[in-house]
Amino acid sequence: DQQVKQNSPSLSVQEGRISILNCDYTNSMFDYFLWYKKYPAEGPTFLISISSIKDKNEDGRFTVFLNKSAKHLSLHIVPSQPGDSAVYFCAARSSGSARQLTFGSGTQLTVLP
Amino acid sequence: NAGVTQTPKFRVLKTGQSMTLLCAQDMNHEYMYWYRQDPGMGLRLIHYSVGEGTTAKGEVPDGYNVSRLKKQNFLLGLESAAPSQTSVYFCASRTLRGHSYEQYFGPGTRLTVT
Repeated sequence: DQQVKQNSPSLSVQEGRISILNCDYTNSMFDYFLWYKKYPAEGPTFLISISSIKDKNEDGRFTVFLNKSAKHLSLHIVPSQPGDSAVYFCAARSSGSARQLTFGSGTQLTVLP
Repeated sequence: NAGVTQTPKFRVLKTGQSMTLLCAQDMNHEYMYWYRQDPGMGLRLIHYSVGEGTTAKGEVPDGYNVSRLKKQNFLLGLESAAPSQTSVYFCASRTLRGHSYEQYFGPGTRLTVT
């Protein structure tokens, strides 16, 4: 049973437009969420995170929104650039299992020039 | 700082063979993790360690063993490889300090079992 779901395996966006990547979760004990970016043949790298006490966190072109009542978070990239083309993973930490992260299956973002 | 390094980068095994994957980190992190990544499955935790001499099972531990004899190293062993263990393996580490749960990942090991 996947506790963190990324229902869109892929997303294509035109350069300069907004990219919106979505993530849903089922475990109400998740209290911290992270987004990772992964290029081919490399390990995932941390992008941005948000605590459950917030509903928005912004870092440059990247903004993460958290809707706790809907158990949904999204990553917005504005404006999208070709270098943003990568697989994006959503991850969550549970207060009941603090040492671990649970990852979603990833979304392949392609930004078209 | 090299961060998290993994050895080897690629390996092909025959069914039944054994091997050890090495992970090393130079950030003095307390926690270390082994994941596998399969198409459409994301990253699944195999085993993890919260300190030297301690290990714990993750989501998919069967067929793997681990050891953490030194703080900076975390070894993943396959005693008798099976085709189902064909995957990309990632090691990660994180600090116990602060309020960030960010894990730092190595570049991965691509393992094929024939």
